[in-house]
Amino acid sequence: EVQLVESGGGLVQPGGSLRLSCAASGFTFSSYSMNWVRQAPGKGLEWVSYISSSSSTIYYADSVKGRFTISRDNAKNSLYLQMNSLRAEDTAVYYCARDPGSGWAYWYFDLWGRGTLVTVSS
Amino acid sequence: QSVLTQPPSVSGAPGQRVTISCTGSSSNIGAGYDVHWYQQLPGTAPKLLIYGNSNRPSGVPDRFSGSKSGTSASLAITGLQAEDEADYYCQSYDSSLSAHYVFGTGTKVTVL
Repeated sequence: EVQLVESGGGLVQPGGSLRLSCAASGFTFSSYSMNWVRQAPGKGLEWVSYISSSSSTIYYADSVKGRFTISRDNAKNSLYLQMNSLRAEDTAVYYCARDPGSGWAYWYFDLWGRGTLVTVSS
Repeated sequence: QSVLTQPPSVSGAPGQRVTISCTGSSSNIGAGYDVHWYQQLPGTAPKLLIYGNSNRPSGVPDRFSGSKSGTSASLAITGLQAEDEADYYCQSYDSSLSAHYVFGTGTKVTVL
């Protein structure tokens, strides 16, 4: 089955760190660009970060630039998001999402994980 | 902050047709970039509904259709069903922002 499964969410204090993981299965992970997208409670969707299939190209939303780091391990079929200096406004469900482009981005998401909740609170 | 504007809510009776608009600007939809639509059922992850303005992924009923014109796009649902009650988001690419992927504000569809 083609799927993405996120993990690593939880409760963290402001200023703290958390590392999210996304395990991919059922498709050739190394061929696709991947992303993190988040959704604050009761709010809309916000793109967070992009990484190309070879990790050669990385983008971040301005809201997380300098604090979050995206990475991937194609040998382990896994995507990661290292989140540092967390703020209350980072509280959200974080989704792992695949861009269907192979080699270059198609700029949309054709596969989503179920998400993992990150709560930043003291 | 959402770059694409959608109505907060639309509603219709079962069997009716509803449309959701998505208004952008000259740096996204108006620049010719494709519009894509996602359906988010309550308590679940978003799911791709329409890609490339008007294409349906395998398994999406043909009751859902998309179109694009100028700086706007629309999603139409014909023969509205109870299971269509969900949040719907449009999405495109923006050339003026570092965001790249930009989403609409989201529309809640209520089946009366």
